[in-house]
Amino acid sequence: AQSVSQHNHHVILSEAASLELGCNYSYGGTVNLFWYVQYPGQHLQLLLKYFSGDPLVKGIKGFEAEFIKSKFSFNLRKPSVQWSDTAEYFCAVRPNSNSGYALNFGKGTSLLVTP
Amino acid sequence: NAGVMQNPRHLVRRRGQEARLRCSPMKGHSHVYWYRQLPEEGLKFMVYLQKENIIDESGMPKERFSAEFPKEGPSILRIQQVVRGDSAAYFCASSPGSESLHFGNGTRLTVT
Repeated sequence: AQSVSQHNHHVILSEAASLELGCNYSYGGTVNLFWYVQYPGQHLQLLLKYFSGDPLVKGIKGFEAEFIKSKFSFNLRKPSVQWSDTAEYFCAVRPNSNSGYALNFGKGTSLLVTP
Repeated sequence: NAGVMQNPRHLVRRRGQEARLRCSPMKGHSHVYWYRQLPEEGLKFMVYLQKENIIDESGMPKERFSAEFPKEGPSILRIQQVVRGDSAAYFCASSPGSESLHFGNGTRLTVT
């Protein structure tokens, strides 16, 4: 079945630690890829997206993600996390075979950054 | 530049009542999406609409749920005869087309 998998459901890091959140998808063909963040009590906000071109994508707040087509992966990274990065992170895929522009989301990864 | 507006933020309904959730997309956006979020389950796609048309409703339960996006006014997600299992956060998003989605703050529905 077509799906988006986020391997880590809960991650706890100390401030200044490096972060990598995994995302794999199982759609064939061309896809658009996204990472969204949801801070406590807030709506989802776009961190970064990949449509085409350079597979290393830089987003807001120091986040980046790398699209590896052969591995069907789009992992999110940040070299040094801050307490304010505590949030829920969602990977999303838009298969180009869809009848529209809807995104399919992973289950999310809850990140807690401790001081 | 107002974002996606959803109301109400919180909605409490007794079993058997109807719930109406409203979503006003961002200015200039003609595509609207509804998602449901349950704890530990992430965001589940429900329905995708353009003005006056349902484009994809593959994620909508077959009974009791309906959605519309009229020519004038907000998009409405309607749940008839609510049950406890309908308790969730419902998020609306909009886009101008093939770009990324912009999300609203959500409506948290509690069925008692």
